[in-house]
Amino acid sequence: NAGVTQTPKFRVLKTGQSMTLLCAQDMNHEYMYWYRQDPGMGLRLIHYSVGEGTTAKGEVPDGYNVSRLKKQNFLLGLESAAPSQTSVYFCASSYFPVGTGVVKEQYFGPGTRLTVT
Amino acid sequence: GENVEQHPSTLSVQEGDSAVIKCTYSDSASNYFPWYKQELGKRPQLIIDIRSNVGEKKDQRIAVTLNKTAKHFSLHITETQPEDSAVYFCAASTETDSWGKLQFGAGTQVVVTP
Repeated sequence: NAGVTQTPKFRVLKTGQSMTLLCAQDMNHEYMYWYRQDPGMGLRLIHYSVGEGTTAKGEVPDGYNVSRLKKQNFLLGLESAAPSQTSVYFCASSYFPVGTGVVKEQYFGPGTRLTVT
Repeated sequence: GENVEQHPSTLSVQEGDSAVIKCTYSDSASNYFPWYKQELGKRPQLIIDIRSNVGEKKDQRIAVTLNKTAKHFSLHITETQPEDSAVYFCAASTETDSWGKLQFGAGTQVVVTP
């Protein structure tokens, strides 16, 4: 199993350009998450999804959109990139075993380093 | 919402010594507390977690303690080795109604010097 993969690994954008980050997981996980990581600020949740066709806002959703058309994929879009969106973006996935009442650990992808100039 | 504070932000220890990282949380409903380790340029990976029905959990050289009354939890690394050098993140979650969402601390950079 590849686990959680992210495409691309690196990207440089000019202010105002758009792009889509792709996250894919082959573990059949229901839950998927997008985080951004900035120095001294930990990991902050942008958007998340609890199943195919469903998405919800996290802590810092402004300037981003997401889609979960297939269970294994979670896309993060930047419609008009701004320098404040320069960051490392991590995708993660998790699952909820029936009958346990708990959500299992989050598995992270390798990250995408995005620079907006 | 939940707020997690983590201290210290950097920690330098001699190889063989112990390291302790502390986190406090604000939401008394939080009941799941994982710790992630992130090596330079790599992805975060879970190293240990604890749920609110226990006060301590150990896994070889690492241990986590939880004080629900004071709303704080700590990571203890004993006999530190150079490969323990990394950024460590604590997190908190309310498992039953948060869809697995984690609130992370800001991270602690641990440097183990030989």
